[in-house]
Parts: sequence; structure tokens; C-alpha cells
Amino acid sequence: DSGVTQTPKHLITATGQRVTLRCSPRSGDLSVYWYQQSLDQGLQFLIQYYNGEERAKGNILERFSAQQFPDLHSELNLSSLELGDSALYFCASSVDLTGELFFGEGSRLTVL
Amino acid sequence: AQSVTQLGSHVSVSEGALVLLRCNYSSSVPPYLFWYVQYPNQGLQLLLKYTSAATLVKGINGFEAEFKKSETSFHLTKPSAHMSDAAEYFCAVSPSNQAGTALIFGKGTTLSVSS
Repeated sequence: DSGVTQTPKHLITATGQRVTLRCSPRSGDLSVYWYQQSLDQGLQFLIQYYNGEERAKGNILERFSAQQFPDLHSELNLSSLELGDSALYFCASSVDLTGELFFGEGSRLTVL
Repeated sequence: AQSVTQLGSHVSVSEGALVLLRCNYSSSVPPYLFWYVQYPNQGLQLLLKYTSAATLVKGINGFEAEFKKSETSFHLTKPSAHMSDAAEYFCAVSPSNQAGTALIFGKGTTLSVSS
């Protein structure tokens, strides 16, 4: 158990819909990272938050957004969903010392 | 910019054989390097990490990796494969001068172990 909690574990929705994925980092970790894993693209970094502030952006689509709340949990919002958004979405947290990330078990999104 | 290339998307070995998973990195500054393992339907778990200390790094489950600056490599090895090692393995890099930067992952190598 990494200590990172993600909900929901599975989500099935239709094209055009909007979903929210939730992540609770390890106790004491200030950084939260979101990654998308798909068969064709591999593990793609989406966005990072540090203590409530956006710190870095990767390959995140404009239809996607995220935020980190005062209690340090984070949410990833995916809107106007397309078939190609079907993937496993991982949240990770870190202590920001040597870059080691601790991953949750992921949220599997299926868009039909 | 940092990047990693994992050579071979699929490696198959027999139980008891040597495991060698290859990773080459590109980094404009001294890197931190990582190997993660992902078992089916699970998240990624850290196997080992290189953070500019010893070049030979020992990790969990008998795995180790050697940082070779001259070859820009960080290959993962295990002397004797076990059936439980079957999983997907990811090499990752981050710049050592930017603690807390997101890791950049390779495309992964699936390890199959046959009896």
C-alpha cells in the first residue's frame, strides 16, 4: 500500500460527459502528480500541484483541469469526453527530495 | 529536456535465467533515475533509484541497476528470474537540480517468465 488513495477505481461513461477523479496523497506529501496511461501513449505526465498551486504542466488537454485543495487532496476533471480519453489515470505524491513518486492504484476510465 | 528509451517492449526469460532490461537516458543535467514495476491491475511501485551516490544501486526483490554515465545507461538486472517477476517495468528520469519535478517515463518493458 503506497498510501495514495484514488477514487473511483473504475468509471464507465459516455462521450460528451464530464467526470471527476479524486486523489488523496500520502500523509505529509505536498506534491500531487497526475499521469495518464494508455496502450498507445504509455505513461504521460499531465499536471503537478504543490501545496495548492499548479507547479508544472505536461500533455494535459484543455478539456482537462485539476486542482489541489487546502487539505492537499486533488481532483482531475475531464470534460467533453471522447473515446480516446479511455485510459488509466494515476495520481502520485512525493516528498520532493529525490523525486521518488508514490503511486495510487489508478482510476480506470472507459468512455463508450 | 530529459527522456528515456527502453530497448525492447517485451522480454521473455526462463525461470532461473538472468533478467536484463535496458534503459538509456538523455539529460542535459545530472539525472536522477528510477525503475518502477507495475503488476497487473496495480499502480507503479518503486524498485530502485539512482540519486548520484553509488553507481550500482540495489533495489527490492533482488533487482539492481548500474548507472553508466559514459553509456548514458541505467540497465536493470536480476541474476535469477522468478515467476513472480512477470510484470511491466518502467524506467524514469528527472533532473537532479529540480527536486520535485515530474518523472518522465519510458514506454515500458513487459517481462514474461516461463517455467
